[in-house]
Amino acid sequence: DAGVTQSPTHLIKTRGQHVTLRCSPISGHKSVSWYQQVLGQGPQFIFQYYEKEERGRGNFPDRFSARQFPNYSSELNVNALLLGDSALYLCASSFPGSYEQYFGPGTRLTVT
Amino acid sequence: AQTVTQSQPEMSVQEAETVTLSCTYDTSESDYYLFWYKQPPSRQMILVIRQEAYKQQNATENRFSVNFQKAAKSFSLKISDSQLGDAAMYFCAYRSGVGLSGNTPLVFGKGTRLSVIA
Repeated sequence: DAGVTQSPTHLIKTRGQHVTLRCSPISGHKSVSWYQQVLGQGPQFIFQYYEKEERGRGNFPDRFSARQFPNYSSELNVNALLLGDSALYLCASSFPGSYEQYFGPGTRLTVT
Repeated sequence: AQTVTQSQPEMSVQEAETVTLSCTYDTSESDYYLFWYKQPPSRQMILVIRQEAYKQQNATENRFSVNFQKAAKSFSLKISDSQLGDAAMYFCAYRSGVGLSGNTPLVFGKGTRLSVIA
């Protein structure tokens, strides 16, 4: 089975722009979580979606939003980009009833 | 809020030797799960080993084992017979068992960079 996939792999944006990151979970997984990993730090939780509903949100501003589609794929949107949004954005999925999360390869976002 | 602390920013080990990475956590919950993830330069976060808090027996996965001390809130990772491919960032992570299964986020430590010397 394919693992968690994310697109794009890398992207460069300018301050003030908007960005959309995409994630496809492992087949059968219904929960998707998003994490931000700043260089040299551990990942920080942004959002969790389960059965297309938001089930958790980390300490991030309203510029960050997400949604989950009927096929359980997900998008993370960030508006009005700041330099500090430069990071690796990780998506993770999990199977219903499981406490293990499986991560995708991440999207490296650079804001200039 | 739960916190995870990894006090060793960097560690090194000779190939074929054994190394232990430290992790402590703070929680008032009794139901939780602990994990070690490996992140090589390729960036892919790979699950190495997991431990359920209700289990007294320490988890083992091939060359990887943990020393879970629940009262001390300590969860160290031991890598035996270290290989060059073990070089990576290692993150300790906590997940609450409260709430619907699979619906609680991971809380990560800052990581330990492991170098393996040939």
